[in-house]
Amino acid sequence: DTGVSQDPRHKITKRGQNVTFRCDPISEHNRLYWYRQTLGQGPEFLTYFQNEAQLEKSRLLSDRFSAERPKGSFSTLEIQRTEQGDSAMYLCASLAGSASTDTQYFGPGTRLTVL
Amino acid sequence: AQSVTQLGSHVSVSEGALVLLRCNYSSSVPPYLFWYVQYPNQGLQLLLKYTSAATLVKGINGFEAEFKKSETSFHLTKPSAHMSDAAEYFCAVSDNGGYNKLIFGAGTRLAVHP
Repeated sequence: DTGVSQDPRHKITKRGQNVTFRCDPISEHNRLYWYRQTLGQGPEFLTYFQNEAQLEKSRLLSDRFSAERPKGSFSTLEIQRTEQGDSAMYLCASLAGSASTDTQYFGPGTRLTVL
Repeated sequence: AQSVTQLGSHVSVSEGALVLLRCNYSSSVPPYLFWYVQYPNQGLQLLLKYTSAATLVKGINGFEAEFKKSETSFHLTKPSAHMSDAAEYFCAVSDNGGYNKLIFGAGTRLAVHP
């Protein structure tokens, strides 16, 4: 069990550029979540995958955002035409079970800065 | 809709003093509550969780929390603060009807001074 990993840890980009983040969940965890955390706030839910199916998307996820989880393993989150308001920490979490009490394990996050 | 409110965005205590971080929840169904800790530039680590098995929940690093339904609270405590406890703490509720995504409070930054 190597934990949830995210890549890159930091990304600086210019406004208008596209960026892609990767999340590798704990092996055999079939559920995967993306959250966004802005400065001074708690994480906010973005989207949820069960295996390869994207089952829920937040209203925060505008058309410029897209997430995938091919083959139900790693996941990618892409932001097109980045805006300064996209600057945040993007967190990925995974868990194995289906109960409300199961623990979500978080990765270290990708910090995005849009200049 | 479920939500959590953390009272006090910043809390400062002396080393060795009691730590009390407040969390109140709103939920129309029995809530499942979590406390996470976040150290600078790191992800979130679970401290403890309430699963309805016991109202007093013990977690890692000497932290514990008590679920009080009458007060809709789930406050986090530690009898004696250590310098290494300085971090940001988040209370969260599991969205039972929404694939168990977590709904977080705004967080409380704990400072521990000598």
